[in-house]
Amino acid sequence: DAKTTQPPSMDCAEGRAANLPCNHSTISGNEYVYWYRQIHSQGPQYIIHGLKNNETNEMASLIITEDRKSSTLILPHATLRDTAVYYCIVRATSYSGGGADGLTFGKGTHLIIQP
Amino acid sequence: DTGVSQNPRHKITKRGQNVTFRCDPISEHNRLYWYRQTLGQGPEFLTYFQNEAQLEKSRLLSDRFSAERPKGSFSTLEIQRTEQGDSAMYLCASSDLSTSGDNEQFFGPGTRLTVL
Repeated sequence: DAKTTQPPSMDCAEGRAANLPCNHSTISGNEYVYWYRQIHSQGPQYIIHGLKNNETNEMASLIITEDRKSSTLILPHATLRDTAVYYCIVRATSYSGGGADGLTFGKGTHLIIQP
Repeated sequence: DTGVSQNPRHKITKRGQNVTFRCDPISEHNRLYWYRQTLGQGPEFLTYFQNEAQLEKSRLLSDRFSAERPKGSFSTLEIQRTEQGDSAMYLCASSDLSTSGDNEQFFGPGTRLTVL
């Protein structure tokens, strides 16, 4: 009962922008879109989250479509250290009227940055 | 600034033995989560605590699994009568409801369990 769909793998050249797509067509009005990544042999790491507006931080940008059924994570200048599995997650928080369940990870996208 | 720590990092045990893992969250973080991750899969939620109260348990958490957070700081996860299917990476995460609204969970490095 995965709520998100992501391509299993993607390649990107070092220095270029990496654009990772995610479909979440059944997203509810109170659910946020979160992105985490997991570098090999480490725990997942939070990247960014958003509700309906585009968001940017020091790591990435998140573009959410107007109907909120899909989103794209953008790593503007990918480096070799960005090679990881990237997870797109939808979740309602306790502040948005949802439960405080744990994160529901799918299989993610394995992003490989090529030198 | 120390992050989430987990001990041991690796555990090898024989089927039928009991094992216990420990998680030390980031200081003052009131939420603590346990996840399990098998090879090639994303982490799966097991349970979480807000302070010392265990508020949610996944159906994945069979009656052989028990978790505690007695003083609202560190947590332990015990697996009784281990089975080979319990072999996985066990991840702990913490978050601070008051500052981040539980939007960012900080994960530890995990404990890798191998059941022979």
